Amino acid sequence: GAVVSQHPSRVICKSGTSVKIECRSLDFQATTMFWYRQFPKQSLMLMATSNEGSKATYEQGVEKDKFLINHASLTLSTLTVTSAHPEDSSFYICSAREVRSGGAGEQFFGPGTRLTVL
Amino acid sequence: GENVEQHPSTLSVQEGDSAVIKCTYSDSASNYFPWYKQELGKRPQLIIDIRSNVGEKKDQRIAVTLNKTAKHFSLHITETQPEDSAVYFCAATPTGANSKLTFGKGITLSVRP
Repeated sequence: GAVVSQHPSRVICKSGTSVKIECRSLDFQATTMFWYRQFPKQSLMLMATSNEGSKATYEQGVEKDKFLINHASLTLSTLTVTSAHPEDSSFYICSAREVRSGGAGEQFFGPGTRLTVL
Repeated sequence: GENVEQHPSTLSVQEGDSAVIKCTYSDSASNYFPWYKQELGKRPQLIIDIRSNVGEKKDQRIAVTLNKTAKHFSLHITETQPEDSAVYFCAATPTGANSKLTFGKGITLSVRP
């Protein structure tokens, strides 16, 4: 159980285009999903916390108008990178936390999306 | 906010030896401490976690110890195997609906055959 999927796994796009990444919890409900980005040989950097039915909470320094997050249901959250530029190239990973686990429950990670902006 | 320090940044051990990875945290309110293993280009996988109501937890070759007074916790891997080679991240978080994990910088573990 506790499987999180992410789509697409890899995307290459031209500068200026927008890219949408989907994160789904397949066998559990997640009130909270998290979006991270990870640069090579670095740790996971939290971008935003996504709560079902409410606006996302962004970490300091993360542009909310550039990284649009929607958490429309208990099993789906999307991250849209708007007007992508080469510096947005990174590994984007989502994670989901089960409803029943309360506050500090286990987080399960998606497989990640490798974004390359040309 | 929480600050998690992880050291060393790299660790190389001989196959069969034990490996110990240490982390410290700053927020005394933190009470959940997971460890993740990440292989190159793949997702972080939860390998073990511990909550503040216990001091040690073991799962086969992997164990985690927690010292709340000193605010540090450690991952112990015994009888290491080449497939244990990966990046290991520790994390900490308090409870609460708005809680979020704070990760350490990660350690690259290499197990020499």
